[in-house]
Amino acid sequence: DAGITQSPRHKVTETGTPVTLRCHQTENHRYMYWYRQDPGHGLRLIHYSYGVKDTDKGEVSDGYSVSRSKTEDFLLTLESATSSQTSVYFCAISEGDSRPETQYFGPGTRLLVL
Amino acid sequence: AQSVTQLDSQVPVFEEAPVELRCNYSSSVSVYLFWYVQYPNQGLQLLLKYLSGSTLVKGINGFEAEFNKSQTSFHLRKPSVHISDTAEYFCAVSASLGGAQKLVFGQGTRLTINP
Repeated sequence: DAGITQSPRHKVTETGTPVTLRCHQTENHRYMYWYRQDPGHGLRLIHYSYGVKDTDKGEVSDGYSVSRSKTEDFLLTLESATSSQTSVYFCAISEGDSRPETQYFGPGTRLLVL
Repeated sequence: AQSVTQLDSQVPVFEEAPVELRCNYSSSVSVYLFWYVQYPNQGLQLLLKYLSGSTLVKGINGFEAEFNKSQTSFHLRKPSVHISDTAEYFCAVSASLGGAQKLVFGQGTRLTINP
């Protein structure tokens, strides 16, 4: 299994509060991704990173921001959580040295916004 | 833009029966396709992938998939399923994203195995 951990694994929060999810990898992979999983939608890309301090938006980035200050950590922040952000969030990594690449997924964080 | 359609949201089958999970993708010059499996309360695990070469791809746990360019399909098959195959299965296509490549996922197919 790829060395990817996500924290917390479960979180309940209230509308309007900030929330930060963490993804940590031990593989030294260049690319890191945040997806959200919702019934009927599969997984959709929120943001991705192609190196330290290098990030870009995915298809559902509104209301989310990310940061990557170290190769191994990729943080996803919900600045002001809304009920529509209740979802399961997955982090993924890929090596970045070949095309196409396999992405390896973390165990997920289940977020409930009340 | 690349897209993926999984034609069945749920597929119930009996144990030891064969199964086919259907996946169609939007056409592109070069296409790279993946099947992932998600067991309950877990992350996604790669089952198999098609990059080039033989159109019949074999994966883990006895699964295989066939790439059909003319029908833009990448259906997943297993000749005899087991209770432990109960999971959700996702088809995905790789799409360019600047210098990176993202995965575009289908909606998922929930496979339920009945004894």
